[in-house]
Amino acid sequence: AVQLVESGGGLVQPKESLKISCAASGFTFSNAAMYWVRQAPGKGLEWVARIRTKPNNYATYYADSVKGRFTISRDDSKSMVYLQMDNLKTEDTAMYYCTAGRSGFDYWGQGVMVTVSS
Amino acid sequence: DVVLTQTPPTLSATIGQSVSISCRSSQSLLHSNGNTYLHWLLQRPGQSPQLLIYLVSRLESGVPNRFSGSGSGTDFTLKISGVEAEDLGVYYCVQGTHAPFTFGSGTKLEIK
Repeated sequence: AVQLVESGGGLVQPKESLKISCAASGFTFSNAAMYWVRQAPGKGLEWVARIRTKPNNYATYYADSVKGRFTISRDDSKSMVYLQMDNLKTEDTAMYYCTAGRSGFDYWGQGVMVTVSS
Repeated sequence: DVVLTQTPPTLSATIGQSVSISCRSSQSLLHSNGNTYLHWLLQRPGQSPQLLIYLVSRLESGVPNRFSGSGSGTDFTLKISGVEAEDLGVYYCVQGTHAPFTFGSGTKLEIK
């Protein structure tokens, strides 16, 4: 069965950095584009970032709200995807989900909470 | 960015009732490759979202066939034929045709 397990969340102060991770299993990770989606408390879903596969040069895409501050990366040898978050803002407080699948949203992790507060 | 407008924002239904949710896009979601990347998700209370329908009308494996999707271009509909108690939660449409991917604002389904 497909599993996506996020980790690394926590409480940080504004302008600090945090790196969250997602461990994938149950599918051929190297063939799959990977995504991060977030959800602020009590709010809707927001797509954050996408990374494509090696044949697609690991191309990356970002929401305007995080462009220049967040970096998505992957390690196919470990079936891991990461989100490096720099210069965090209070508005980045959210549950962060790792997702995958042919639609991009077939599979979801349980999410990891990131809280940005002074 | 593509804006997806979902209506209604909330929906109250009795068990067995059929309901529909609309998702209208600010641009056509027909991709140049012929696919329309419009999908439907359900987020039950306290859970991660799950995929119900992909590519407008294709039922995700394991999803009951009381769920169906239809539409084209800019107008899309999710229909539940005979609501069951487990269907409560928030329904989202999401588009993957145009970057950045965008979600609708959600429709909360309550059971009377």
